[in-house]
Amino acid sequence: GQQLNQSPQSMFIQEGEDVSMNCTSSSIFNTWLWYKQDPGEGPVLLIALYKAGELTSNGRLTAQFGITRKDSFLNISASIPSDVGIYFCAGSAGYSSASKIIFGSGTRLSIRP
Amino acid sequence: SAVISQKPSRDICQRGTSLTIQCQVDSQVTMMFWYRQQPGQSLTLIATANQGSEATYESGFVIDKFPISRPNLTFSTLTVSNMSPEDSSIYLCSVGTGSAFFGQGTRLTVV
Repeated sequence: GQQLNQSPQSMFIQEGEDVSMNCTSSSIFNTWLWYKQDPGEGPVLLIALYKAGELTSNGRLTAQFGITRKDSFLNISASIPSDVGIYFCAGSAGYSSASKIIFGSGTRLSIRP
Repeated sequence: SAVISQKPSRDICQRGTSLTIQCQVDSQVTMMFWYRQQPGQSLTLIATANQGSEATYESGFVIDKFPISRPNLTFSTLTVSNMSPEDSSIYLCSVGTGSAFFGQGTRLTVV
């Protein structure tokens, strides 16, 4: 079945630094999604990507849909304490609301003040 | 986006009992999805619930253990049956409208 490899598994960085994480897939996805999950909460959608090569920003966050459709990355610029949490990539082979979404294993971000 | 409410937000249950989790959406949606997130793990899809038909279960999940109801386009329930400590997880419902939006989850502890 489809699998997503997300890296790194965890990051411990200095406040103000830029962050980069990525996901690779064993097969082609037509939708890539990036989520953040805070303790005790459900995942919150950060960025959705629907087209190969697409580069989308949401404030200090930027994500790209890889040209091969088998990878995506998320960058966070000038990290701040509230960026702490677990970030998940997710992908789907379909475009419709009925398409299943598969999640990566997550990247745990910690920030030194 | 959609606003999704789950009840209960958390529960502690005795082994061998069952718990029904409710998911309410503020708009009509075709598909609702139920996920499990075991401690420190990622999200795993349990089943897809389409209104008016039987839910479709993923490999490793069966209807007898996780029966699902979908009585209308804004509501679904997931029951965790005959619970054991291994069922201790966060259970989340989501709706997909091009992207997936999640409720806050139900944190279940089985003792």
